[in-house]
Amino acid sequence: QKEVEQNSGPLSVPEGAIASLNCTYSDRGSQSFFWYRQYSGKSPELIMFIYSNGDKEDGRFTAQLNKASQYVSLLIRDSQPSDSATYLCAVNGYSSASKIIFGSGTRLSIRP
Amino acid sequence: DADVTQTPRNRITKTGKRIMLECSQTKGHDRMYWYRQDPGLGLRLIYYSFDVKDINKGEISDGYSVSRQAQAKFSLSLESAIPNQTALYFCATSDLKSAGSTDTQYFGPGTRLTVL
Repeated sequence: QKEVEQNSGPLSVPEGAIASLNCTYSDRGSQSFFWYRQYSGKSPELIMFIYSNGDKEDGRFTAQLNKASQYVSLLIRDSQPSDSATYLCAVNGYSSASKIIFGSGTRLSIRP
Repeated sequence: DADVTQTPRNRITKTGKRIMLECSQTKGHDRMYWYRQDPGLGLRLIYYSFDVKDINKGEISDGYSVSRQAQAKFSLSLESAIPNQTALYFCATSDLKSAGSTDTQYFGPGTRLTVL
């Protein structure tokens, strides 16, 4: 079992709709959860992080965390063609010696 | 100017050659990382360093070595390049101050390496 799992996609969503991206993780001790966006051939860039159960909103983006079920999701409202990218979920443990584990990413395509 | 820089940005080399990829950062972070990315496999950690005197192997360190010359510099070497090391390589930095804090990673622009 992979430590961080994501559906590889592609996930196709019409422009203006809500895109929902999901991620599950295996380490119950994980404490910090990140969503990165990566355009083709470019480096990953942080969208947002979350570490408390519940929702965290930032503009059109909402991260949702459920530690009991070990999943984290990202919602993108009013999807735009510029949101078409690969979205990487990443998880970090509690210890200062922990390192971030990345999922393999979900490719999102917003169709006009 | 970019906070995390990588040189070269593109490199084509031949099997058996020694290659060095360099990473520099001006963010003042203690932690630095080298990842490789292959299509469909996401980011895989090669080596990481939590400070100048601390270097650790990641999940795919075989065939690679690193040097942390200073807080701001972290180099990745391929002693004898082989074709399956063709990939996109990213350097990243982070600054975790205490356990339980977030450890956001900041990535360089990447080096596209092709081994013929």
